[in-house]
Amino acid sequence: DTAVSQTPKYLVTQMGNDKSIKCEQNLGHDTMYWYKQDSKKFLKIMFSYNNKELIINETVPNRFSPKSPDKAHLNLHINSLELGDSAVYFCASSQPGGTDIQYFGAGTRLSVL
Amino acid sequence: GEDVEQSLFLSVREGDSSVINCTYTDSSSTYLYWYKQEPGAGLQLLTYIFSNMDMKQDQRLTVLLNKKDKHLSLRIADTQTGDSAIYFCAEGGWRRDMRFGAGTRLTVKP
Repeated sequence: DTAVSQTPKYLVTQMGNDKSIKCEQNLGHDTMYWYKQDSKKFLKIMFSYNNKELIINETVPNRFSPKSPDKAHLNLHINSLELGDSAVYFCASSQPGGTDIQYFGAGTRLSVL
Repeated sequence: GEDVEQSLFLSVREGDSSVINCTYTDSSSTYLYWYKQEPGAGLQLLTYIFSNMDMKQDQRLTVLLNKKDKHLSLRIADTQTGDSAIYFCAEGGWRRDMRFGAGTRLTVKP
């Protein structure tokens, strides 16, 4: 069973569109994350979220918004897509305390045309 | 701000040892991690070390930690072509998010 799963794996869309990427984890973790990996493979955290607190990286445009229907899901919604949003987006989860190991999904490659 | 740095590229011959180095600045780091990313895939945890340890060995992998110098290394013995990937160093602390390095692209030549 996949621990952290993201859909879709690939997403190609036009500038100005609104899109969502879904993430689900079956590990029972309390905290989930979204990362953006650019073409140079730099990995930047966008959000971390548990059932009590959303922490937003201040560099993330407000066109990006995380939505969590329940503890096992953290979806990423993007409004008015721009060319610079093209990247691979990774979802991850962890259980606070202990080793805090983060488990990653396989990524969603977003291409904005 | 606090940072994690690693060299971007490393090339070795098959059968040689690979050593990937990482430095970090946050003295409150509790755990340090190595992740591997193969082409088109997500990050996979390879190993981690608690900040009060100097060394951890797991089969072909050896992690060395110099806490005084804030220096972490990953040694891969008998490197194989399947080890070609990007290796990310990361550090984490109490109740805060992990910080990742930029990743070291390891190329293993036959």
